[in-house]
Amino acid sequence: GAGVSQSPSNKVTEKGKDVELRCDPISGHTALYWYRQSLGQGLEFLIYFQGNSAPDKSGLPSDRFSAERTGGSVSTLTIQRTQQEDSAVYLCASSSAVGAAKTQYFGPGTRLLVL
Amino acid sequence: QKEVEQNSGPLSVPEGAIASLNCTYSDRGSQSFFWYRQYSGKSPELIMFIYSNGDKEDGRFTAQLNKASQYVSLLIRDSQPSDSATYLCAVGGTSYGKLTFGQGTILTVHP
Repeated sequence: GAGVSQSPSNKVTEKGKDVELRCDPISGHTALYWYRQSLGQGLEFLIYFQGNSAPDKSGLPSDRFSAERTGGSVSTLTIQRTQQEDSAVYLCASSSAVGAAKTQYFGPGTRLLVL
Repeated sequence: QKEVEQNSGPLSVPEGAIASLNCTYSDRGSQSFFWYRQYSGKSPELIMFIYSNGDKEDGRFTAQLNKASQYVSLLIRDSQPSDSATYLCAVGGTSYGKLTFGQGTILTVHP
């Protein structure tokens, strides 16, 4: 079946602009995660969704970052007033159920460059 | 102290050798442990997961977990040049499955 998809694959924007990143999880996966990977760094957790609710937003770096999920499926990560330090690869992952042992499958990521 | 620590490498091994990748974690309540492989410019792909102490084998890969020592490792037997990648250790906690990742170890397998 289809894996996790993300769009756009690449995004170049100017400092101060808003951007929207989209994630389409594996069909039937109820849990959805956003991570960020800066150059040469490990993955940094941003936010977790179970269904349409976000029980954990603790990783969002600032109030410029927000995310939503609709219909228990597609999620959008929005970054307002982008800054150069927001440049990174934004990865989305989904898993079939909640629980510490559930495997997360990653999408291809969106590479964001803020000029 | 970082929550999940890995030696960043690079680790260089000859083709056919055993590559040993190590990871330590700080949260004793961690329940699940994952190894992901990430090729340059690509997203992480799952290699193995392990939940219980001991060894778990899958083909050329063996994951080892020692909860008392808070240590997890990945052994790659008969290493191939195609194994050259960054290997990410990820640890799951007691709740919903949020993963904490190490910085990754760069592995190079040379012919």
